[in-house]
Amino acid sequence: GAGVSQTPSNKVTEKGKYVELRCDPISGHTALYWYRQSLGQGPEFLIYFQGTGAADDSGLPNDRFFAVRPEGSVSTLKIQRTERGDSAMYLCASSPRLGAGELFFGEGSRLTVL
Amino acid sequence: QKEVEQDPGPLSVPEGAIVSLNCTYSNSAFQYFMWYRQYSRKGPELLMYTYSSGNKEDGRFTAQVDKSSKYISLFIRDSQPSDSATYLCAIQMNYGGSQGNLIFGKGTKLSVKP
Repeated sequence: GAGVSQTPSNKVTEKGKYVELRCDPISGHTALYWYRQSLGQGPEFLIYFQGTGAADDSGLPNDRFFAVRPEGSVSTLKIQRTERGDSAMYLCASSPRLGAGELFFGEGSRLTVL
Repeated sequence: QKEVEQDPGPLSVPEGAIVSLNCTYSNSAFQYFMWYRQYSRKGPELLMYTYSSGNKEDGRFTAQVDKSSKYISLFIRDSQPSDSATYLCAIQMNYGGSQGNLIFGKGTKLSVKP
């Protein structure tokens, strides 16, 4: 497709379980970003990639969160030992180049931890 | 003080009204300013992007930046019910540099009544 694709669109899991969220960016976009958005809040930065490497992971809240982009295209956000506080919308965005303000967002993956 | 402050509203106006949405920011190093629109349960989409003080117009939308006051605004003329959404301001430290991530405001929820 032409836009950023995120799967699953909804994920319900139990506390303590492991979760993977996938992002397929716009073809040719080298920069990829993950944000987390809680209800009534703006998106909060988690991590971004330029190519395969994480250029900045300073927004990851703790070591239960990890993200990879092994081939410089698709990225996976991984959350271990999920907690109820992890419940949020996880947004992925891509951009033609790092530092460009024009981020193109996907529809998000809504995670609910029971 | 948060880096970006935005009144969350909600803001309700009649169709045809002029809408004014505002954000303030704390760090004068921020150089790039964006407005995103987010419909319910969707990802944000870029509306306006500017980097200089002054006005930038695009159709019914005008973005205004006052760097001396650290104040940014979005004006919507002849508002339509289809403009009902959450509007997020976003700022960026350094275009093309290592600081690639955007910092978002909380978002202002706008409702335009027919």
